[in-house]
Amino acid sequence: QVQLKESGPGLVQASETLSLTCTVSGFSLTSYHVSWVRQPPGKGLEWMGRIRSGGSTDYNSALKSRLSISRDTSKSQVLLKMNSLQTEDTAIYYCTRHPGMDYWGQGVMVTVSS
Amino acid sequence: DIVLTQSPALAVSLEQRATISCKTSQNVDNYGISYMHWYQQKPGQQPKLLIYEGSNLASGIPARFSGSGSGTDFTLTIDPVEADDIATYYCQQSKDYPPLTFGSGTKLEIK
Repeated sequence: QVQLKESGPGLVQASETLSLTCTVSGFSLTSYHVSWVRQPPGKGLEWMGRIRSGGSTDYNSALKSRLSISRDTSKSQVLLKMNSLQTEDTAIYYCTRHPGMDYWGQGVMVTVSS
Repeated sequence: DIVLTQSPALAVSLEQRATISCKTSQNVDNYGISYMHWYQQKPGQQPKLLIYEGSNLASGIPARFSGSGSGTDFTLTIDPVEADDIATYYCQQSKDYPPLTFGSGTKLEIK
């Protein structure tokens, strides 16, 4: 069955770089796009960016200068890197499959400490 | 960027109808398809797709949920409302991107 699972550090220091991994199963990264979406505590959903099935990427312009999304198809993994973290980047980070964002991972909580 | 506007909260009695609205700052239709989608998020859980492309029910979603609308005005209807429907509901557009954008969410409460 289709599954996505996020992993990464729960605590990151301000100004450092966040690295998260989304490991997928039940589908191929060369057939579906995968997005990263984040949700600060008690707030709404923010689309961060995605990697398309062909390997190209789209980013939210608000994050583009700090964000990089890549993949390793041999490991069925999508990688997120975001630098210059601030406390406002504290959030649950989800990966989700397109089209339709029909499957989501359970999310990983990331706290940025000052 | 396309902005999606939702009311913050809605209170409805059990077994009644709930209508949740989403208004967009630009038309999200193209060639007869509405690029509007709806998600349910319960506390402590990830979002779940309910409706895609305006009115199509996602797999496994009960027929109590329906979507309607076009252009810049869309509605998610739950009829009848059950206790398990307590959640926050988000609309999202995929007509014009990047970025894909979400509404701010409507919290459904039971009277």
